[in-house]
Amino acid sequence: QVHLVQSGAEVKKPGASVKVSCKASGYTFTSYYMHWARQAPGQGLEWMGIINPSGVATSYAQKFQGRVTLTRDTSTSTVYMDLSSLRSEDTAMYYCARGFGRAVAGIDHWGQGTLVTVSS
Amino acid sequence: DIQMTQSPSSLSASVGDRVTITCRASQGISKYLAWFQQKPGKAPKSLIYDASGLQSGVPSKFSGSGSGTDFTLTISSLQPEDFATYYCQQYNSFPITFGQGTRLEIK
Repeated sequence: QVHLVQSGAEVKKPGASVKVSCKASGYTFTSYYMHWARQAPGQGLEWMGIINPSGVATSYAQKFQGRVTLTRDTSTSTVYMDLSSLRSEDTAMYYCARGFGRAVAGIDHWGQGTLVTVSS
Repeated sequence: DIQMTQSPSSLSASVGDRVTITCRASQGISKYLAWFQQKPGKAPKSLIYDASGLQSGVPSKFSGSGSGTDFTLTISSLQPEDFATYYCQQYNSFPITFGQGTRLEIK
């Protein structure tokens, strides 16, 4: 059974960075992509980026270019999303989601979400 | 970027009804369209992939159709647990984009 378990809620000050983890289990970690998306309070879903199974290639939404970094650790089956230069508008629930198929991968399973609050 | 537009933005229906939600892409996306269900305070749940494929474990009351630019999600025989917000998403090309959501409410 596929499980994606994310790290706990974070409170950060403007200008700081946050690193959210997503630990995968129940499948062959290196055979699937991992997406990240976020949802501001009361708003819709926003795609941030994807890391491929080899962990070498990633693709990011233009909006987050230069601020977001996706990495993975195959020894622990964990993917990390690092977002820097935080501002109040980054307050949101952040989700990891397993990607399947081709490079522009579909999504089949989601993590439970991690709330990141940016406040002075 | 490919813009995804859902209609309606909100919808009221009764238990037992059949409803259809539409999603239109600003350019052709072949079959690369997914649908997700999200309940308040919960993570999204994947329902449909490749426009009409049913994700594992999803009941057959959910069905998707379409290709190119116009797509639909149909939910038959609505039950209380189906009242939620539904999102479409294109994964034909980067950046991946979502529709704005359709809120399905009990009448």
